[in-house]
Amino acid sequence: EVQLVESGGGLVQPGGSLRLSCAASGFTFSSYWMTWVRQAPGKGLEWVADIKPDGSDKYCVDSVKGRFSFSRDNAKKSLFLQMNSLRAEDTAVYYCTSWWSSTWQRADYWGQGTLVTVSS
Amino acid sequence: DIQMTQSPSSLSASVGDRVTITCRASQDISNSLAWFQQKPGKAPKSLIYAASSLQSGVPSKFSGSGSGTDFTLTISSLQPGDFATYYCQQYKTYPLTFGGGTKVEIK
Repeated sequence: EVQLVESGGGLVQPGGSLRLSCAASGFTFSSYWMTWVRQAPGKGLEWVADIKPDGSDKYCVDSVKGRFSFSRDNAKKSLFLQMNSLRAEDTAVYYCTSWWSSTWQRADYWGQGTLVTVSS
Repeated sequence: DIQMTQSPSSLSASVGDRVTITCRASQDISNSLAWFQQKPGKAPKSLIYAASSLQSGVPSKFSGSGSGTDFTLTISSLQPGDFATYYCQQYKTYPLTFGGGTKVEIK
C-alpha cells in the first residue's frame, strides 16, 4: 500500500522557520517526481514545488523562492520542505504528492496533509 | 504564468444529472491538463490527465476533453459521492497552476 505521511506542521510566528517531512512507503520513491501542494484555509490548491527523482532539479512558485528549500533523501524515502522567513500568507495545509514517475507513468499519491499556521 | 480559469465557480445539480465544468488556459497548453476532485477535509484525488486520459481506478462516468486552451470535465450521471470541488491544473509549463475550483453542490 502506498503511503505518504507528512509531519512537522504547527504554529510559528511570522519570520520563523519550520521543516516539513514526508515519509514514503509502498512505491519506488527514488523513481518518482515529488511535489508539494498547499491549500490555504477555505481556498483553492496552489502548487509549491517539484523535485526530480534524483533531486538534481527543483522548481518552485515565485512566492517562496529564496525562503523555502526542497530536498529529498532517496535512501530514507523522504521528502523535505525547509520553510524560512514565514509569512501569514504561507498559512496552509501542505500536501506531499506524486503524479509522475521518472518514465512519465501517471501516479496519484497523496499524503494526508500537515497544517502550517503562521501567526503571532 | 499561465492562468487557469474555471467556470462556473459553483453549481447546484441533482443526482442523475449530467454536469460539465469548463477550464480555460491563458495560453496554449496542448493537452497538458489534469482534473482533480477534492472532498471536504480530504486530500485531492486525480481524475483525468493528458486532458482526456482516465486515472487508474476512476469510473468511466468521468470524462475529459479539449486541447489548446479550452477543456471540459463531464460527469455523466451525478451520484452522491460526486458532490465535491473540482480543480483543473496545467502542467505544460512551470509554475504549474490550478484553476480556482468548481464546487458541485446538491440541488
